[in-house]
Amino acid sequence: TQLLEQSPQFLSIQEGENLTVYCNSSSVFSSLQWYRQEPGEGPVLLVTVVTGGEVKKLKRLTFQFGDARKDSSLHITAAQPGDTGLYLCAGAWTNAGKSTFGDGTTLTVKP
Amino acid sequence: DAGVIQSPRHEVTEMGQEVTLRCKPISGHNSLFWYRQTMMRGLELLIYFNNNVPIDDSGMPEDRFSAKMPNASFSTLKIQPSEPRDSAVYFCASSQGTGDTDTQYFGPGTRLTVL
Repeated sequence: TQLLEQSPQFLSIQEGENLTVYCNSSSVFSSLQWYRQEPGEGPVLLVTVVTGGEVKKLKRLTFQFGDARKDSSLHITAAQPGDTGLYLCAGAWTNAGKSTFGDGTTLTVKP
Repeated sequence: DAGVIQSPRHEVTEMGQEVTLRCKPISGHNSLFWYRQTMMRGLELLIYFNNNVPIDDSGMPEDRFSAKMPNASFSTLKIQPSEPRDSAVYFCASSQGTGDTDTQYFGPGTRLTVL
């Protein structure tokens, strides 16, 4: 059983559309991170959220941490082909020393 | 500044052979992680080190897998003997610490194919 469930698993949209991907768990995390991975490369950190209800914006990307710190969402406005990739969420606990990753959402943005 | 360096980038071997994957973390980083990524299981943590000491190896599949970090600038992941089900992309990552907000920097990965 995956500790972090991401949905949808696959998403294919046209350039200019908006989208939201979700990361859900029954566990409470002290922090949650979102990574993007492009083909043939390792994941790259996009953002870290640590406070329940926190919202962070990174250009066209908006990240939200749930009030109970069990879930998170990533919203992309006006998606571009350069947004194509695998989006991974990772949850961590204070002093655990490690993170657990979700199974990812594969996003394809068609020009 | 060089990122995390992994070698080889691709490895094709036959079942039963020994495979050694190598990683050079970012200079100054105290923590090093080994992950395995497959379509079926996603990104799994195998083992991580802090200050060259293995802290948690609960993700290592079985005794065929072993990892070492002889110094702060080098780590190896060895599979002996290799099996077809070990085929995956293996990533090494490093971070300054093991705090829950520390950024992990991933290498480009080693794609392993065991025939």
